[in-house]
Amino acid sequence: AIQLTQSPSSLSASIGDRVSITCRASQGISSALAWYQQKPGKAPQLLIYDVSNLESGVPSRFSGSGSGTDFTLTISSLQPEDFATYYCQQFTSFPLTFGGGTKVEIK
Amino acid sequence: QLQLQESGPGLVKPSETLSLTCSVSAGAITSSGYYWAWIRQPPGKGLEWIGSVYASGSTHYNPSLRGRVTISIATSKNHFSVNLNSVAAADTAVYFCARSRRATFDIWGQGTMVIVSS
Repeated sequence: AIQLTQSPSSLSASIGDRVSITCRASQGISSALAWYQQKPGKAPQLLIYDVSNLESGVPSRFSGSGSGTDFTLTISSLQPEDFATYYCQQFTSFPLTFGGGTKVEIK
Repeated sequence: QLQLQESGPGLVKPSETLSLTCSVSAGAITSSGYYWAWIRQPPGKGLEWIGSVYASGSTHYNPSLRGRVTISIATSKNHFSVNLNSVAAADTAVYFCARSRRATFDIWGQGTMVIVSS
């Protein structure tokens, strides 16, 4: 199975900060990477698919980049509603796998 | 707007079978191009894909579950189900159902907590 390693596992940031989260795959996954946001007690929400395509309704302050094995989710200006846990997911091959998550907290 | 809703027992005894159903509303489970998936999340931990099913009945499973899992679909009832047998405490988790679009998960149910305990 392809392993996804996210870093950092948690971070503290202030409103308005630029935040970046990294996801590294154990082998190349082409562009088959998605990002999700999960708030406490809620189901995850799809933010980005195919590395950089924004899901409908997702604010443009979210962006994704990368290729091969290294990928990044960036929030250009952190808003109060962005404090959550973020997961990457690969879908190049079964079993589908998720990264361990990055918790974004208020500084 | 398509909605998914999980249902089933919240408490299962060790060694027994966990059975959950996901009811799909405001849309057809036979819609072309979509798989239907189960994903779980142990308390305080990350997400684990359990498996996916297509309207035809074609399935994919996570081998980490060592053959304990079966996912089925009932197109006439617009729902799909998961059975996980020989459960243990490690199977305690929130279980989510989701629509799978090109193997990403674009619509999720709210999740249901299942505790494995005697």
